Amino acid sequence: GEKVEQHESTLSVREGDSAVINCTYTDTASSYFPWYKQEAGKSLHFVIDIRSNVDRKQSQRLIVLLDKKAKRFSLHITATQPEDSAIYFCAASKANYNVLYFGSGTKLTVEP
Amino acid sequence: EAAVTQSPRNKVAVTGGKVTLSCNQTNNHNNMYWYRQDTGHGLRLIHYSYGAGSTEKGDIPDGYKASRPSQENFSLILELATPSQTSVYFCASGDAGEGTEVFFGKGTRLTVV
Repeated sequence: GEKVEQHESTLSVREGDSAVINCTYTDTASSYFPWYKQEAGKSLHFVIDIRSNVDRKQSQRLIVLLDKKAKRFSLHITATQPEDSAIYFCAASKANYNVLYFGSGTKLTVEP
Repeated sequence: EAAVTQSPRNKVAVTGGKVTLSCNQTNNHNNMYWYRQDTGHGLRLIHYSYGAGSTEKGDIPDGYKASRPSQENFSLILELATPSQTSVYFCASGDAGEGTEVFFGKGTRLTVV
């Protein structure tokens, strides 16, 4: 099956700086790459996604980049705020299926 | 907002006992999933289902069974619980087909003693 590797287990940035979280995947058939956020003690909720027909997507302060050749995708959070502090999970799924395989998570801390 | 409800939210079980974790969704989603979350491993897929009557094995199905008796309900069954199954379990639901949002329940914290 698909294996998603999330490279940063922890990340600490100062408020206002940018944060970047990197993920790689193994299955060339994967074509959908969402990101989920988990605040302390809570469940996961969707934040942004990217499909394989594009290489960049932005939603407000969140930017996702996809490099299909390298099988790598990344989440960029610009102008970070304390409320961005959470665990972020990347995931991948194959075309025509909606079964997500997750990375191990990155704990982001935004320091004031 | 899509609703996925898990019960119980907390459970302490004895080694060798049977545990059933229940999940209900009111979103009319075809797909449902069970994941476990452990530090250092992220979320790992245990079982999933494409609809009533179907169950599929995920990455770590050993020691777990799943049951999908209806569109709304998906259970995870530990016939003989072991301490290694101590974890937080998340149920989720989503539409069939690629690239649709998956909605998670609040999780069940299971401790096997």
